[in-house]
Amino acid sequence: DVKVTQSSRYLVKRTGEKVFLECVQDMDHENMFWYRQDPGLGLRLIYFSYDVKMKEKGDIPEGYSVSREKKERFSLILESASTNQTSMYLCASSSPGSAQETQYFGPGTRLLVL
Amino acid sequence: AQSVTQLDSQVPVFEEAPVELRCNYSSSVSVYLFWYVQYPNQGLQLLLKYLSGSTLVESINGFEAEFNKSQTSFHLRKPSVHISDTAEYFCAVSGNSGGYQKVTFGTGTKLQVIP
Repeated sequence: DVKVTQSSRYLVKRTGEKVFLECVQDMDHENMFWYRQDPGLGLRLIYFSYDVKMKEKGDIPEGYSVSREKKERFSLILESASTNQTSMYLCASSSPGSAQETQYFGPGTRLLVL
Repeated sequence: AQSVTQLDSQVPVFEEAPVELRCNYSSSVSVYLFWYVQYPNQGLQLLLKYLSGSTLVESINGFEAEFNKSQTSFHLRKPSVHISDTAEYFCAVSGNSGGYQKVTFGTGTKLQVIP
């Protein structure tokens, strides 16, 4: 079974702090994704990566950056956390190929910015 | 561009009753359609998907969805729900954008099964 793990289930940070969210997958997937999930808005793509050291902006990249130094690890960085970044963050991975690929999700990190 | 509409944000239903969760999509190119389920305090997991062939697809736990191209719909149904089906359900469309997979999720439907 594919396993996607996220470093924290719950995080509380203060406004202005730098925040790191880590995601690791164990299935040698090339593709990795970061989404945020908000009530009534569903999932929105922040960034994705199709290879090591490669990144592409998603639909809402403002205020975020990412890092992919190793194939299995994809990090989301909030350079200076703000209260409007309070959300559930979901990491996903998939194998390369066409649009038919299933995405496999981690359990999520619920971030509260005070 | 592609989009997904789930008009029902919450659907309460009594246990053992049938349920339908609605999903409509739009896209200018061919897409693939998915339903994902999110149980409380968990990430999303695939429930079923339509890629090609038979327009009716089934999951292992009794859900089914029918792809209707003319109505651009992919509604999810179950003839008899169980308490354990209580979860949030997301419809998604997947297509190619700039050579990459682009997945667009709906806003989700919370299914509440009432004992």
